[in-house]
Amino acid sequence: QKEVEQDPGPLSVPEGAIVSLNCTYSNSAFQYFMWYRQYSRKGPELLMYTYSSGNKEDGRFTAQVDKSSKYISLFIRDSQPSDSATYLCAMNGPRDTGKLIFGQGTTLQVKP
Amino acid sequence: DVKVTQSSRYLVKRTGEKVFLECVQDMDHENMFWYRQDPGLGLRLIYFSYDVKMKEKGDIPEGYSVSREKKERFSLILESASTNQTSMYLCASSLVLQGEGYGYTFGSGTRLTVV
Repeated sequence: QKEVEQDPGPLSVPEGAIVSLNCTYSNSAFQYFMWYRQYSRKGPELLMYTYSSGNKEDGRFTAQVDKSSKYISLFIRDSQPSDSATYLCAMNGPRDTGKLIFGQGTTLQVKP
Repeated sequence: DVKVTQSSRYLVKRTGEKVFLECVQDMDHENMFWYRQDPGLGLRLIYFSYDVKMKEKGDIPEGYSVSREKKERFSLILESASTNQTSMYLCASSLVLQGEGYGYTFGSGTRLTVV
């Protein structure tokens, strides 16, 4: 079993839809949770991060962490065609290594 | 902004060639990483380095080596390129987030094709 599971999709939605992207994980020691966005033929870029449980909002994006269920989510409101990308969740491994554990990535297409 | 620069966006090499992929970061970060990314397999860690001249194997080090002679530069070496090493290669530098968590800044990637 992988430490981090993420449905690869692809996920296709109409413009304006609310998108929900999710990851589950098995290691209860994870504390920092990140979402990266990767456009085609580009490197991933850090989109959002949260520490421990709770919600964090940034514009149309909301990151949610439920440590009791070992489940994290990224919500995108009023999705736009420019949101079409692959979204990767990532989590902190042992703190002193600085090494992240990544999900496989979910490919999202927002259709005009 | 931290910049992680990979020397080539696209490379085509022949089987058996020795290949060097270069990565430079400009923020004095100790940690640097090399990943490869393949459809259906996600990101897989090849090697990482915590400091100059230090390296650790990742999940798939076979067929690869690395060099870190200077803090800002982390090189990935394919000793004898093979077709199954055709992939997107991503370099990353580790940054400390607010609250002392870690995140990465990635380079733009090098798409390597071995023929």
